[in-house]
Amino acid sequence: AQSVTQLGSHVSVSEGALVLLRCNYSSSVPPYLFWYVQYPNQGLQLLLKYTSAATLVKGINGFEAEFKKSETSFHLTKPSAHMSDAAEYFCAVSTPYSGAGSYQLTFGKGTKLSVIP
Amino acid sequence: NAGVTQTPKFQVLKTGQSMTLQCAQDMNHNSMYWYRQDPGMGLRLIYYSASEGTTDKGEVPNGYNVSRLNKREFSLRLESAAPSQTSVYFCASRSSYEQYFGPGTRLTVT
Repeated sequence: AQSVTQLGSHVSVSEGALVLLRCNYSSSVPPYLFWYVQYPNQGLQLLLKYTSAATLVKGINGFEAEFKKSETSFHLTKPSAHMSDAAEYFCAVSTPYSGAGSYQLTFGKGTKLSVIP
Repeated sequence: NAGVTQTPKFQVLKTGQSMTLQCAQDMNHNSMYWYRQDPGMGLRLIYYSASEGTTDKGEVPNGYNVSRLNKREFSLRLESAAPSQTSVYFCASRSSYEQYFGPGTRLTVT
């Protein structure tokens, strides 16, 4: 079984400040990990993904995340927040294996990011 | 290339009514998924279809049925809607390990 925990349902940062959104996972096999962003009244857009290559993953809009196996974490960061980053962010885990249920995504509950001008 | 499309965008139903949510993808993907999104709950998997002709239950299947009509289309049916099914519904299709999401259907059951 796999699960995802996102610490903090709401995070507020000032414009220009560091963004740090936390994600911890549990998985019985090596996972694939994803961050998705959802803007108000829209669908989910993939920000970045970890699929067992480089542990530091760069995504769109200046975001990056680092896979730390020892800490079972995949935290999302951005050095300088912009007003347009205000959205809800979801961490998700998938375990690749053969079979009908392969690559199912399990989502965290989401973190809503507010950016204060 | 439209990606994943969903209809309708919005729907209001009365308790006990039935309806079908439509989803189509033009990316030639084998696997398709239906999720529901509720505040503070993230996305939860309702049903999925690994390939044309197969469907399987996800985490929250009760009250729903699905049909994989062909490779492109995967529909979700509510036979007798309940207020607990008020939610935003997302369809997705998968290429390799990455899922692509539709814009969602916002459903209210009164």
